Amino acid sequence: GNSVTQMEGPVTLSEEAFLTINCTYTATGYPSLFWYVQYPGEGLQLLLKATKADDKGSNKGFEATYRKETTSFHLEKGSVQVSDSAVYFCALSMISNFGNEKLTFGTGTRLTIIP
Amino acid sequence: DTGVSQDPRHKITKRGQNVTFRCDPISEHNRLYWYRQTLGQGPEFLTYFQNEAQLEKSRLLSDRFSAERPKGSFSTLEIQRTEQGDSAMYLCASSPRDGTWGYTFGSGTRLTVV
Repeated sequence: GNSVTQMEGPVTLSEEAFLTINCTYTATGYPSLFWYVQYPGEGLQLLLKATKADDKGSNKGFEATYRKETTSFHLEKGSVQVSDSAVYFCALSMISNFGNEKLTFGTGTRLTIIP
Repeated sequence: DTGVSQDPRHKITKRGQNVTFRCDPISEHNRLYWYRQTLGQGPEFLTYFQNEAQLEKSRLLSDRFSAERPKGSFSTLEIQRTEQGDSAMYLCASSPRDGTWGYTFGSGTRLTVV
């Protein structure tokens, strides 16, 4: 079946540091790939996505590139801020015959940025 | 539209009791999903509706779980004879029919079984 493996946390960085959170996937076929973010007490929010190989998703200074050859979708940001502290989830989706776009998530990486 | 609404936000129940959660999706979304998220894990898919039809169910959805979407609008998730292992965050999401990625999650219902 499909699965997502992402870097274990927690990750603690100083403000303005460079961030990488690794994510690899296993899927039959060609999934769409996503990064979701969950702030304390809130629901999941889509951060960025990529739907085919070599696509780069970007939002709020975060980037991730869909690498089919390494089955990876690593999240990066050049300079993190305290407000980026949250839990980050890597996920994939493959639409079923019924139109089900169910998401398969990794276990999440808790990121804490210290001033 | 205020997004996907879930009610209640928190529920504490005694083992063996029945509980029901409600989800109100974004009004123009015809697809609705339920997920379960346990502590320290990512959300896991439970079930999927297209309009009022429940088209897919995960093996995680035991016989004690039932979900409905009677008029293709709001949905309910009922858990009968709750067990401590049911303690989790239950998330609802909806997406539109037009194929764009408008997947939107609610804030979830946190269930604690004591």
